[in-house]
Amino acid sequence: QVQLQESGPGLVKPSQTLSLTCTVSGGSISSGSYYWSWIRQPAGKGLEWIGRIQSNGNTNYKSSLEGRVTISIDTSKNQFSLKLSSVTAADTAMYYCVRGRSSGWYPDPWGQGTRVIVSS
Amino acid sequence: EIVLTQSPDFLSAAPEEKVIITCRASQSIGSSLHWYQQKPDQSPKLLIKFASQSFSGVPSRFSGSGSGTDFTLTINSLEAEDAATYYCHQSASLPLTFGGGTKVEI
Repeated sequence: QVQLQESGPGLVKPSQTLSLTCTVSGGSISSGSYYWSWIRQPAGKGLEWIGRIQSNGNTNYKSSLEGRVTISIDTSKNQFSLKLSSVTAADTAMYYCVRGRSSGWYPDPWGQGTRVIVSS
Repeated sequence: EIVLTQSPDFLSAAPEEKVIITCRASQSIGSSLHWYQQKPDQSPKLLIKFASQSFSGVPSRFSGSGSGTDFTLTINSLEAEDAATYYCHQSASLPLTFGGGTKVEI
């Protein structure tokens, strides 16, 4: 059974770059059958899709974040990563990594999430 | 961007009642609509995929229906453990989007 686990700093200063990693266990991230994605949720608010990547490196990003966001994949480590630059308090949220099928997307499973606070 | 509008935002119901949550899409999305349950301090859990397909291990009291722009999640015979926030999610087109959520209180 595939499991995902987020990791990274819980506190980031404004204007700096948020960097998170998702480690996948129980399955290979190299499978072309899936997208690997990031979704975030500010405290007490709804869910926002950030972007996704396939094992071949193809990416899709939410347009309002494009220019600040980069998702990359490291098949040798079975990990994928999120970088979000020039962060502000509005980027404070719980960040989830998820897997979704390439043919007929629905995100499952989800990682447990990692909370990131943007504050000086 | 496809906007998903859920209603109601909040509902309170008694155990064993039937609950219906609706999700309306701003344009047709076929059956590319999925439902999630999120309990406090937990990640969302998939309940229904592609509008009406129950996900493995989900209790049979949860069901989904609809296509195009109008969708419903029905919880038959509500149980105490169903207290949660429910989200719809569309995968018809990018950017992928979620509804605003419906909080269910028992």
